[in-house]
Amino acid sequence: GAVVSQHPSWVICKSGTSVKIECRSLDFQATTMFWYRQFPKQSLMLMATSNEGSKATYEQGVEKDKFLINHASLTLSTLTVTSAHPEDSSFYICSAGGGRTEAFFGQGTRLTVV
Amino acid sequence: AQKVTQAQTEISVVEKEDVTLDCVYETRDTTYYLFWYKQPPSGELVFLIRRNSFDEQNEISGRYSWNFQKSTSSFNFTITASQVVDSAVYFCALSAGGAIQGAQKLVFGQGTRLTINP
Repeated sequence: GAVVSQHPSWVICKSGTSVKIECRSLDFQATTMFWYRQFPKQSLMLMATSNEGSKATYEQGVEKDKFLINHASLTLSTLTVTSAHPEDSSFYICSAGGGRTEAFFGQGTRLTVV
Repeated sequence: AQKVTQAQTEISVVEKEDVTLDCVYETRDTTYYLFWYKQPPSGELVFLIRRNSFDEQNEISGRYSWNFQKSTSSFNFTITASQVVDSAVYFCALSAGGAIQGAQKLVFGQGTRLTINP
C-alpha cells in the first residue's frame, strides 16, 4: 500500500510554545489529508480536513487559530499547535487518501506539553 | 450522520480462546466502507480489513475472520485461537466522506482493548 510518513514520532515542548507536525505522502499525491487526535484511552476524532492550495475545513469544536493547517503541496500537510498547553497533550495522526476507497495513516505523533 | 459503536470497552481472555469483537454502525449512505484497525501500544494504526457495503461475504484471513451483516448493521471481528501478540486496541471504522471523499475520511468506534493472557 501507499506510504504516509509523519514526523516527528514524539515531541515534548514547553507550555506556550508552538509545535509543527508534518505529514507526507511518499509515493502518491494527496489533494486531501486528514488530521485526527486521540486522547489517552479514547478513540480517534477527526480534527480537520486539509485541502491542497486552500483553507482547511475544521470539525466543530476545533479551534482553527490554535491548530494551524497548511497544505502547500500535493505531498505535504503540516499541523502547527500554537501556544500549546498541557491539555493539548495527545496523539496526533494524519491520513491521506488512496482514492475514494481507502486512507493511509501516518505513524502518529505523541505530543507532550509540560 | 455516521456513527460506529463498539460496546465492548475491554475484553480479557486466556491464550488460545476465541474472541469476538462487536461493531455496530449507522449511516444513511447506500455506498460505504467498513474497516478494522489494530493499534498496538506504539500507537500506529495497522490496517486489517476493508469491506464495501455491496459485499456481504464473510472473510477469513488466517486466525482472523469477519462477519458483515447489513440487516443488523454489524461488522464483527473474530480472532480464533488467540495469542498474546493479539493484545492491542482494535478499532472499527466507517467511511464518512460521502460521494467525494468516500473512505478517505473515517469515523471510528470507541475501540476495544483486547488483552490476551498467557
